[in-house]
Amino acid sequence: AQTVTQSQPEMSVQEAETVTLSCTYDTSESDYYLFWYKQPPSRQMILVIRQEAYKQQNATENRFSVNFQKAAKSFSLKISDSQLGDAAMYFCAYRSARGNEKLTFGTGTRLTIIP
Amino acid sequence: ETGVTQTPRHLVMGMTNKKSLKCEQHLGHNAMYWYKQSAKKPLELMFVYSLEERVENNSVPSRFSPECPNSSHLFLHLHTLQPEDSALYLCASSQLAGVNEQFFGPGTRLTVL
Repeated sequence: AQTVTQSQPEMSVQEAETVTLSCTYDTSESDYYLFWYKQPPSRQMILVIRQEAYKQQNATENRFSVNFQKAAKSFSLKISDSQLGDAAMYFCAYRSARGNEKLTFGTGTRLTIIP
Repeated sequence: ETGVTQTPRHLVMGMTNKKSLKCEQHLGHNAMYWYKQSAKKPLELMFVYSLEERVENNSVPSRFSPECPNSSHLFLHLHTLQPEDSALYLCASSQLAGVNEQFFGPGTRLTVL
């Protein structure tokens, strides 16, 4: 069974600085998708960024980028120029590409932005 | 309304009550999901409906009963719940193709007394 591990329950960063959130996963499959979701205090979970495992290039969305290391089964999220609105729980998630709709989530990292 | 909506946002119920949670998606998706989110635990997938048919039930107790009358609506019927069922219940929807990104609703905060 696939598992997703987020080893940092809490992180904090100074506003305008850069922070990296860690995620590792365990799978025997070669084709899958990885996601970072953000859940602000208002609770609505929104997708931040996604990565297809067959793509070698790391995904980037504005200030958010990932470091995808397939061999190491690592998928970290880098937030550049941190803003107060980035404060939230961040969840890493895995989904097989083999038609299984199930998302497997990590336990999350609570990110605090220090003004 | 846009995206995925859930009602009610908060619910307090006794162990003998019967209540229902409602989810509606306005995205034209054909798959819907119920998740349970408890403190310090990963999100737990409860039910998956694909093309209005239930395709996955992760050993959820029978006191939780899902219903998917059409591709836009999903219900979770609750009866004789336990205090440990108190949690945030999230609904999500997706389109069954490709990356299959899931879009989440704001959740229902359920408290069982």
